Amino acid sequence: EAGVTQFPSHSVIEKGQTVTLRCDPISGHDNLYWYRRVMGKEIKFLLHFVKESKQDESGMPNNRFLAERTGGTYSTLKVQPAELEDSGVYFCASSHRGVPSSYNSPLHFGNGTRLTVT
Amino acid sequence: TQLLEQSPQFLSIQEGENLTVYCNSSSVFSSLQWYRQEPGEGPVLLVTVVTGGEVKKLKRLTFQFGDARKDSSLHITAAQPGDTGLYLCARWARGQLIWGAGTKLIIKP
Repeated sequence: EAGVTQFPSHSVIEKGQTVTLRCDPISGHDNLYWYRRVMGKEIKFLLHFVKESKQDESGMPNNRFLAERTGGTYSTLKVQPAELEDSGVYFCASSHRGVPSSYNSPLHFGNGTRLTVT
Repeated sequence: TQLLEQSPQFLSIQEGENLTVYCNSSSVFSSLQWYRQEPGEGPVLLVTVVTGGEVKKLKRLTFQFGDARKDSSLHITAAQPGDTGLYLCARWARGQLIWGAGTKLIIKP
């Protein structure tokens, strides 16, 4: 089974530009999460999809961030316009259907997209 | 947000030595997870501990959940260079994973 894949692995953009990150979850996984690690800080939750619906987007920093999951398959996370503080590693994770706790349905993480805003 | 504090932040030891890293909180939690992350990769779940006082073993790694369910430890026996990585603890809270900042472990051959 293919794991969670993220594209691109690295992105360097200038402040004010737009970047779109993509995540392909494991096939059949209803739950899809976005997390972010800013340098020197802990990983933080951004949002959670169940199929195509946003279950929880309380971690999204501001309205410059837009996540979509059309059709309940892959997801995109767009940052527009990017700011310096958006730099970090963006992780996507997926899990099978059901209540998202690890002993029932562990999270599988992608390798992340390292975003650098200059 | 209930913070998870991990210590030490960084640890560099020789191959064959033993080590323990810690994950502490002021709050009680129902379960705790340990992940390992290697450079350029995402976190990989190692174990989940659920019951106060629980001990789980994964080869040379021993995970313990405190009796009061406020802390956890990871002990590695006879560390190997392959154990090098970032060790993260995390807990579920209201549908979100809350993470510690991690312990960066380097095992020198």
